[in-house]
Order: sequence, then structure tokens, then C-alpha cells
Amino acid sequence: LAKTTQPISMDSYEGQEVNITCSHNNIATNDYITWYQQFPSQGPRFIIQGYKTKVTNEVASLFIPADRKSSTLSLPRVSLSDTAVYYCLVINSGGSNYKLTFGKGTLLTVNP
Amino acid sequence: KAGVTQTPRYLIKTRGQQVTLSCSPISGHRSVSWYQQTPGQGLQFLFEYFSETQRNKGNFPGRFSGRQFSNSRSEMNVSTLELGDSALYLCASSLEQVMHSPLHFGNGTRLTVT
Repeated sequence: LAKTTQPISMDSYEGQEVNITCSHNNIATNDYITWYQQFPSQGPRFIIQGYKTKVTNEVASLFIPADRKSSTLSLPRVSLSDTAVYYCLVINSGGSNYKLTFGKGTLLTVNP
Repeated sequence: KAGVTQTPRYLIKTRGQQVTLSCSPISGHRSVSWYQQTPGQGLQFLFEYFSETQRNKGNFPGRFSGRQFSNSRSEMNVSTLELGDSALYLCASSLEQVMHSPLHFGNGTRLTVT
């Protein structure tokens, strides 16, 4: 069962690229990695999902190395509104008894 | 398209009581899953319902239960409340089962047990 580890917090400035890494040493072959963003008093919001190599959408990129023991969420040119908590999620999709393992979250603070 | 709606937003209950939380998924979504979020334990999976059947369950005691109706709306029940049940309870809906589709979360129900 994958155990996920993320930095507790990160600081950045407007316009910078931010990379948040999640370690998941015990990830299994069929496990997917998903990232969510959460603002205070709101539920998490889906950002991006990947299995291997690189995935990009309109808001972020997700880099997953060949050994898949970590993944990096990349946010290009952050703004003040990107200040939030970011969670990685690994879903162990082993049959019907799948397991969801969330990281503890990384509080990203974007400064002006 | 309307998002996931959870009611009520806030609840205060006394130890030993029971509580029922409600979740209305995004139209067309067949899966509803529930999560507990606390500062100490973070986000933890409670259970998932798909086509009115519980498909999977996290590591929580039997006091936590749920159900899903034919219109995909779901309820979660916690009986014999304990102080440690104070948390933000989130539900999420998805097109297919949790391992196949991104989750769309509601804004949660904040439960305080006194």
C-alpha cells in the first residue's frame, strides 16, 4: 500500500514556477496519481491525474519518473489566488478492495 | 452544471447522539464517496457507493454507515457520536467508480461533537 509524503509548506512569489513533490515509494504497478487543490472552507478541487511520464493541462503539469516513486506537480507562473493546500492522492486499484492514500497536504503561500 | 451539494454546512451535536449528512452529486454522476478531514489525520476515505451499492469501505468503525438512493443522492450516518468524530465531512461524486474518474468534492459539513 502506497504511503505518500509531501512537504508541509512552501513559499513562492507571483510569476514564479512552483514544483511540489509527493513521494510514494510503495506505489503499485496500476496505481494512478492525482493532485487536488483546497481553499479554506471549500472541498478539494481536481487539478491533474497521471500514471507515468508527463501530463499537462491548462493549469498544471504532472511529472512522473520511470520508477514512479515520486511525482511532481508543476504550477507555471503562480498568482496570489494559487495560495492553497495541495494534496496528492494515490489510488491502489487492486480489484474491488482499492485503497485511497492522501498525502497530508502542502500549504503553498504565494507572496506579492 | 450544478456542483456537489452537501447539507447542512454546520452541525453541532452532543456525544452519544446520531447524525445524518446529505450529499447531492453532480447530475449524471453515479458514484458518491465520503471522506473525513481532520487536522491530525488529514483526508481519510470512508466509503463509496455506486449504483446504490457500497463498493468499498475505509478503516472506520461500524458506527459510520451510508446509503445511496436511485437518483444517486447519498446520506451518511454516524451513530453514538464521540468527541473524536468532530471533523469536516466531505462527499465527492464521480462519473464512474473512484479509481477510474476524478473526484468532484462538495464544500463539506462541519460536524462538532460536544
